[in-house]
Amino acid sequence: ELKVEQNPLFLSMQEGKNYTIYCNYSTTSDRLYWYRQDPGKSLESLFVLLSNGAVKQEGRLMASLDTKARLSTLHITAAVHDLSATYFCARSPLWTASKLTFGTGTRLQVTL
Amino acid sequence: NAGVTQTPKFQVLKTGQSMTLQCAQDMNHNSMYWYRQDPGMGLRLIYYSASEGTTDKGEVPNGYNVSRLNKREFSLRLESAAPSQTSVYFCASSEYDGNYGYTFGSGTRLTVV
Repeated sequence: ELKVEQNPLFLSMQEGKNYTIYCNYSTTSDRLYWYRQDPGKSLESLFVLLSNGAVKQEGRLMASLDTKARLSTLHITAAVHDLSATYFCARSPLWTASKLTFGTGTRLQVTL
Repeated sequence: NAGVTQTPKFQVLKTGQSMTLQCAQDMNHNSMYWYRQDPGMGLRLIYYSASEGTTDKGEVPNGYNVSRLNKREFSLRLESAAPSQTSVYFCASSEYDGNYGYTFGSGTRLTVV
């Protein structure tokens, strides 16, 4: 069974702090996606990680992929309130974008 | 640049009624998808269409049918709505290989009473 597990499920952090969200998945031949969702809104694509060792950064967010460990991380540097949202990781087989499997999401709350 | 457009945005149905959710994309993507999102369960794939003329079941297809009308449009039909189908439905599209990620529509919030 394909599984994508995120932790933590809920994260409350202070502005200015650093933290990491973890995403474990069950097969080795995967590409990995990160999405952001604001309450009541659609999903916004953040990163697509295609190969082992891939690292991508956008502003205060940095995502990495370790296919051997079946682990992706989303690192938040010096959090700000605007980053409050739910973050999802998702995986698909390398040979097709079909059958994207999502994790249950991490709800991030950044407080002053 | 509209991206992925879904209609309607909200709908309330009575048990047993039918309806069709519409989705259209203007990015010339080959692949289109329907997901449902329930609290605490992430998104689950209902059906997908890898390319025009093909459709396949996803993780939770029971109670739904789809039609890939052309390259732009992919509709989801509930033939006889049930309360368990109360959910938020998202349509998405991508290039076939998914290297640039998926683009999601704004969602349809469906309540079945």
